[in-house]
Amino acid sequence: DSGVTQTPKHLITATGQRVTLRCSPRSGDLSVYWYQQSLDQGLQFLIQYYNGEERAKGNILERFSAQQFPDLHSELNLSSLELGDSALYFCASSVVIDSYEQYFGPGTRLTVT
Amino acid sequence: AQKITQTQPGMFVQEKEAVTLDCTYDTSDQSYGLFWYKQPSSGEMIFLIYQGSYDEQNATEGRYSLNFQKARKSANLVISASQLGDSAMYFCAMRELTNTGNQFYFGTGTSLTVIP
Repeated sequence: DSGVTQTPKHLITATGQRVTLRCSPRSGDLSVYWYQQSLDQGLQFLIQYYNGEERAKGNILERFSAQQFPDLHSELNLSSLELGDSALYFCASSVVIDSYEQYFGPGTRLTVT
Repeated sequence: AQKITQTQPGMFVQEKEAVTLDCTYDTSDQSYGLFWYKQPSSGEMIFLIYQGSYDEQNATEGRYSLNFQKARKSANLVISASQLGDSAMYFCAMRELTNTGNQFYFGTGTSLTVIP
């Protein structure tokens, strides 16, 4: 158990809908990362937050957005969902912004039908 | 060009033997980091080992070592004394620091099966 929690574990929704994935980092970790793992795209870095501020952006679509709240938990919002958004979404956390050791949560499996 | 290339989709190793998982990377940065992660069938991602581009010594963590050859741009993972629990997908990854912050790139993974 990495100490990072993600909810929900599984999510099934229809195309065009909007969902919110939630992540609570390990106690004391200030940095949160979001990743997408899909069969065709593999593992992709989406976005990083540090202490409430966006610090890095990867291959995140404009339909996706994220934020980190004052209590350091983070949410990833996915809107206008398409079939291709079906994937495993991981959250990871680290103590500092450039820590090489990231602790991954168990992931949220999103299925868009 | 691919940032991270893992050319071995699947590997088999006998229990207690050593195995090397290949990884090559592409960057023009001087400062970067290389990682290996393990993903068992249960799905979680487990950090294994890290090598900084300026680290002169190869990184080691228990049975894991990273064979870092900077000139060749390779960062192979060596697992010694393989155990059945090592059966999993293994991902090589790189961190670059860009003007938009950290960027992380992952390879397509190598599926390792340890045979009793």
